[in-house]
Amino acid sequence: KAGVTQTPRYLIKTRGQQVTLSCSPISGHRSVSWYQQTPGQGLQFLFEYFSETQRNKGNFPGRFSGRQFSNSRSEMNVSTLELGDSALYLCASSPQRQGEQYFGPGTRLTVT
Amino acid sequence: GESVGLHLPTLSVQEGDNSIINCAYSNSASDYFIWYKQESGKGPQFIIDIRSNMDKRQGQRVTVLLNKTVKHLSLQIAATQPGDSAVYFCAESIGTDKLIFGTGTRLQVFP
Repeated sequence: KAGVTQTPRYLIKTRGQQVTLSCSPISGHRSVSWYQQTPGQGLQFLFEYFSETQRNKGNFPGRFSGRQFSNSRSEMNVSTLELGDSALYLCASSPQRQGEQYFGPGTRLTVT
Repeated sequence: GESVGLHLPTLSVQEGDNSIINCAYSNSASDYFIWYKQESGKGPQFIIDIRSNMDKRQGQRVTVLLNKTVKHLSLQIAATQPGDSAVYFCAESIGTDKLIFGTGTRLQVFP
């Protein structure tokens, strides 16, 4: 089976812009979670989607949003980018609730 | 690498020795725990998991121990190899897929 894929792998944006990141889960996995990774804050949970519904949400401002499509693919959007949004954004998929989560390679977002 | 904090605790071991990486988790209600390995430039890779109704679980060359009394989790790697060099994260959850990650430990294997 193909692993979790994320596009794009690298992205450079300017403050104030918005960005959309995409994640394709492992085939058959219906749960998709997003995490932000920075050297200062480590890995932090953003949100989780299951069957097109947001099931959990982390402590991030409303500028961070996401959605899931009927084929389980997911996107996350960050609006009005700030310098502090520079991070590695990771997507993980899971075949069941509270089971093994498999991560993609991440999207490296740089905000200038 | 993408995962590293600037001041991660580091464990240095000689190739062939056993490694023990420790993790103190935060919530006594956590019922699921998982260990990940992250190499530079890659996403976290699943190693092993354990549920709170167990104290020990073994995989290939790895063992996870859970001590709920002191909220402590450890990962033991037998016969450590150079390819084991990476940052290791523990994570916990409470009945959901929301994982709360620890800060990570860098494992360095030298010949």
